Amino acid sequence: AQSVTQLGSHVSVSEGALVLLRCNYSSSVPPYLFWYVQYPNQGLQLLLKYTTGATLVKGINGFEAEFKKSETSFHLTKPSAHMSDAAEYFCAVKPGHAGNMLTFGGGTRLMVKP
Amino acid sequence: DTGVSQDPRHKITKRGQNVTFRCDPISEHNRLYWYRQTLGQGPEFLTYFQNEAQLEKSRLLSDRFSAERPKGSFSTLEIQRTEQGDSAMYLCASSAMTPNGAEQFFGPGTRLTVL
Repeated sequence: AQSVTQLGSHVSVSEGALVLLRCNYSSSVPPYLFWYVQYPNQGLQLLLKYTTGATLVKGINGFEAEFKKSETSFHLTKPSAHMSDAAEYFCAVKPGHAGNMLTFGGGTRLMVKP
Repeated sequence: DTGVSQDPRHKITKRGQNVTFRCDPISEHNRLYWYRQTLGQGPEFLTYFQNEAQLEKSRLLSDRFSAERPKGSFSTLEIQRTEQGDSAMYLCASSAMTPNGAEQFFGPGTRLTVL
């Protein structure tokens, strides 16, 4: 079974500051990991994903995440927040290539202050 | 390619009524998923199709819920005898059958309100 924990349901940063959204997972098999962003009244858009290979993955809009197996973490970062980054962010896990179902965390709402 | 579309975007119904939602996946995608998202929570998996075959169902999918994908293209999700607890956003996603990490593309969702 898989599970995802996102620490901090709300995170507030100033424009230009570092963004750090935390994600820890549990998985009985090597996981595939995803970060999605959701703007109000819209569906989910993929930011980035980790499957195999390089543990530091870069995504759209300047976001990146690092897979740390020893810490079972996949934290999302962005060096400099922009007002347009304000949204809900979801971390998700899938049991490797064999699985189909995504298990999502509870989400983190990012607020960006001017 | 217009992405995943869902219809309607919003549905308000009275308790006890039946509702049906439609999802049109990206045309070349043979995998289709339904998720449910309640306010302040992450999406929860409901069911999954590969072509027209429904291969996986969550225990969240009670007997009042039924999903179909008759010709392996669009899918419908029906909820019979709706309850207030069914109020949620219903998300559809599709993906291609590639060897690994197939990204799921999500539609805009159907927001259901049961009065």
